[in-house]
Amino acid sequence: GAGVSQTPSNKVTEKGKYVELRCDPISGHTALYWYRQSLGQGPEFLIYFQGTGAADDSGLPNDRFFAVRPEGSVSTLKIQRTERGDSAVYLCASTQGGTRNTGELFFGEGSRLTVL
Amino acid sequence: GDSVTQMEGPVTLSEEAFLTINCTYTATGYPSLFWYVQYPGEGLQLLLKATKADDKGSNKGFEATYRKETTSFHLEKGSVQVSDSAVYFCALIRAGNNRKLIWGLGTSLAVNP
Repeated sequence: GAGVSQTPSNKVTEKGKYVELRCDPISGHTALYWYRQSLGQGPEFLIYFQGTGAADDSGLPNDRFFAVRPEGSVSTLKIQRTERGDSAVYLCASTQGGTRNTGELFFGEGSRLTVL
Repeated sequence: GDSVTQMEGPVTLSEEAFLTINCTYTATGYPSLFWYVQYPGEGLQLLLKATKADDKGSNKGFEATYRKETTSFHLEKGSVQVSDSAVYFCALIRAGNNRKLIWGLGTSLAVNP
C-alpha cells in the first residue's frame, strides 16, 4: 500500500490476555519504529528496527513487551499478560534506513488498545 | 540525555491571528529538528524540518528556524486558519547511528472562526 498500515485499529481486551499488533510499513523502508501515545502525551519510544534486527529496544517497558520483524518488512508488537496501564495508542512508523534515514518518519494511524 | 521542551497548551486563537509555539532542545552534537502535526482523527505527519544551524523549515505557511545559539526551533505562522487546529509536536533526531526521535509533549492548538 501507499502508507503505513496498522491492524487492528481498535483492540479491547481483558486484563491478563495476550495481544498482537501488526504494522505493515511502506515498501522499501528498512527502518521501522514502534511508539505508544497516551492521551495528552507525546509519542513514547518503544523499539526501532533496522532491517530484521532491533537496533534499539531500550524503550520496551518490561519483558511483557516484545516485537519482531522476521523478514525485514511487517512487524508485530506482542504484549503478554496485559495490564490496564498498557492502554494507549500504539503507533508504527517507517522510513528509509541507514544513511538515508533523515528522521522523517511516516506514521500509521495507530492501534488503540484498551485493557479492561 | 537529549530532550525537547515545548510550550504547554492548549493554545486558542482566532482565525488570522499570529501563532508562535516555542520549542527548545538539549542534545549532544548536531541534531536535526522537526515539527510534526496530528490533525483530529489522523496519524502524525511531518510538517517541516531543519537539519543544520540557521536552516529555516517551511510548509503550509508555517516556519521554524534552527537556532543553535538559543537551542530553539520555534514554530510560527502569520495567519492561522480553522483548519490548522491540531496537536503540534517538536522533535529531534540525534546525529549518528541511533536514529531514535526524541519528542516534546505536544501543544494543542484550537483556532476559532
